[in-house]
Amino acid sequence: DAKTTQPPSMDCAEGRAANLPCNHSTISGNEYVYWYRQIHSQGPQYIIHGLKNNETNEMASLIITEDRKSSTLILPHATLRDTAVYYCIVRAGGSNYKLTFGKGTLLTVNP
Amino acid sequence: NAGVMQNPRHLVRRRGQEARLRCSPMKGHSHVYWYRQLPEEGLKFMVYLQKENIIDESGMPKERFSAEFPKEGPSILRIQQVVRGDSAAYFCASSPKLYRDHNEQFFGPGTRLTVL
Repeated sequence: DAKTTQPPSMDCAEGRAANLPCNHSTISGNEYVYWYRQIHSQGPQYIIHGLKNNETNEMASLIITEDRKSSTLILPHATLRDTAVYYCIVRAGGSNYKLTFGKGTLLTVNP
Repeated sequence: NAGVMQNPRHLVRRRGQEARLRCSPMKGHSHVYWYRQLPEEGLKFMVYLQKENIIDESGMPKERFSAEFPKEGPSILRIQQVVRGDSAAYFCASSPKLYRDHNEQFFGPGTRLTVL
């Protein structure tokens, strides 16, 4: 799986959009971008995934650049409960089941 | 629909004892994955099981660690003769059948093992 690079930490004001970047310059054509988050002392939670088109669900939006070498997770209206470590993971489709977690980005939402 | 359940949530063992961690997947899920998270680290894949079969144990330490997912009952991660370095959070995840393009894994709350 391609390696990802994320900033170690970010801050965001409550109610504002949180934009979390991820670089994955070695991504290959059949690899998807996944985002998970881990709230303190809990198990990781799936957020969203995409291949090349932008994606949106009830939790977040995922913007993938045209060359697919980077992506941005957007939480449109961050709340205090969104404070967590966010992991960007690149993984091949099909039967590739291993999730490789890096150190992620600690997002702190401030009141 | 209950999520992935793990027990115990916290486990304390002395060096040399055995630790048994249990994981009940979500209803209808037949694939189970175990991950370990050392302090200040990301999760690392350990093993992938389907009912009665170990599919991939490439992330398991070669000694003292074993896993099973019997036909009936929860998946068990067993650590024999624990050492202090085994202290970590152990997470279980489950998924339904493997879809061609997407395999969302649902994680449990984890078991925090402390070895004294």
